[in-house]
Amino acid sequence: EAGVAQSPRYKIIEKRQSVAFWCNPISGHATLYWYQQILGQGPKLLIQFQNNGVVDDSQLPKDRFSAERLKGVDSTLKIQPAKLEDSAVYLCASSFERHLSYEQYFGPGTRLTVT
Amino acid sequence: AQRVTQPEKLLSVFKGAPVELKCNYSYSGSPELFWYVQYSRQRLQLLLRHISRESIKGFTADLNKGETSFHLKKPFAQEEDSAMYYCALSARSGANSKLTFGKGITLSVRP
Repeated sequence: EAGVAQSPRYKIIEKRQSVAFWCNPISGHATLYWYQQILGQGPKLLIQFQNNGVVDDSQLPKDRFSAERLKGVDSTLKIQPAKLEDSAVYLCASSFERHLSYEQYFGPGTRLTVT
Repeated sequence: AQRVTQPEKLLSVFKGAPVELKCNYSYSGSPELFWYVQYSRQRLQLLLRHISRESIKGFTADLNKGETSFHLKKPFAQEEDSAMYYCALSARSGANSKLTFGKGITLSVRP
């Protein structure tokens, strides 16, 4: 089966600019996750969708980050305005259902550099 | 709140040597624990989960609730085991579960 797709793979922006990342999960997967991975740390969950609804966004900095999954398939994550500390790899993952007995499959990630 | 601690950043061993990657956790509920692996230029992927009690690529991990640990072990390391390893804990909130990851450890297996 095709894996989780993400684009772009790399992005360099200046602080205070905006940026958007796109994710297409594995076909049929109801649950979609966005993680932020800062250099030297493990992935941190930003937001979790079940179909087109938000299940958990407790760690999403909502003053600057937003995400949507309007049709319950692909998703976009936006940062506006970006800060230097947003430099990280943004990982998208999907699973068949939200219970963790279902494996999460990760995309290749988008490496964001904010200068 | 849940926390996962991987106390070492790097472990370097020779091929054929035993490997133990340490993971400790704190969580007030009943934990589900996982090991994820990322090989060079590949995606993060699940290696094993404690509820499966299986050996994957020769790796095993036993949940020790008394010591709140979930160390990953392999008796004889291979060069292809070189990768980044992350321990993760699943915390339940109603019908939902979410993963908390440790900082990861780089395993380097030398020939």
